[in-house]
Amino acid sequence: KAGVTQTPRYLIKTRGQQVTLSCSPISGHRSVSWYQQTPGQGLQFLFEYFSETQRNKGNFPGRFSGRQFSNSRSEMNVSTLELGDSALYLCASSSSGGSPLHFGNGTRLTVT
Amino acid sequence: AQSVTQLDSQVPVFEEAPVELRCNYSSSVSVYLFWYVQYPNQGLQLLLKYLSGSTLVKGINGFEAEFNKSQTSFHLRKPSVHISDTAEYFCAVISNDYKLSFGAGTTVTVRA
Repeated sequence: KAGVTQTPRYLIKTRGQQVTLSCSPISGHRSVSWYQQTPGQGLQFLFEYFSETQRNKGNFPGRFSGRQFSNSRSEMNVSTLELGDSALYLCASSSSGGSPLHFGNGTRLTVT
Repeated sequence: AQSVTQLDSQVPVFEEAPVELRCNYSSSVSVYLFWYVQYPNQGLQLLLKYLSGSTLVKGINGFEAEFNKSQTSFHLRKPSVHISDTAEYFCAVISNDYKLSFGAGTTVTVRA
């Protein structure tokens, strides 16, 4: 069974640009969550989608948005990038609420 | 809302020595508890989980953890570590809002 796949692995963008990150969950998993990981703030929850609906949202500004498609694949978008958005963005999937999350290897975003 | 406290940010340990990583959680409702490991430049990998039942949980790579409800703790242990156990370890909790909350992480450095 293939694991969670995140693309791209690395991204370099400049301030003010926007970026879209992609996540393909494990086959059969309907829940996809996104996390931001930085050395200073640790792992912070961004949002979770289940069957194309946002079920939970963390405390991030509206520049951070996401969506989930009917095949459970998910995308995350960040608009008007700031230097502080530089981070490792992790996607995780699970079969249902309360089930363990399975993580991808992340997308390393660098904003210059 | 639940929170997770990992009591040690750095744990240096010699090869073949035992290690214990401490984790406390706060929650007013039933929780599911997890330990994840993150190797450099990778995502998080599930080590073990506690959902219900026996309070002693065995995971992969020789790790185990004990759920203690009265002390709201879920400490991770390994009786004999290897160099390859050098990584960052995260304790996490899910409550009934399906949101996974992580501790700040404990960096384990195994020395020969």
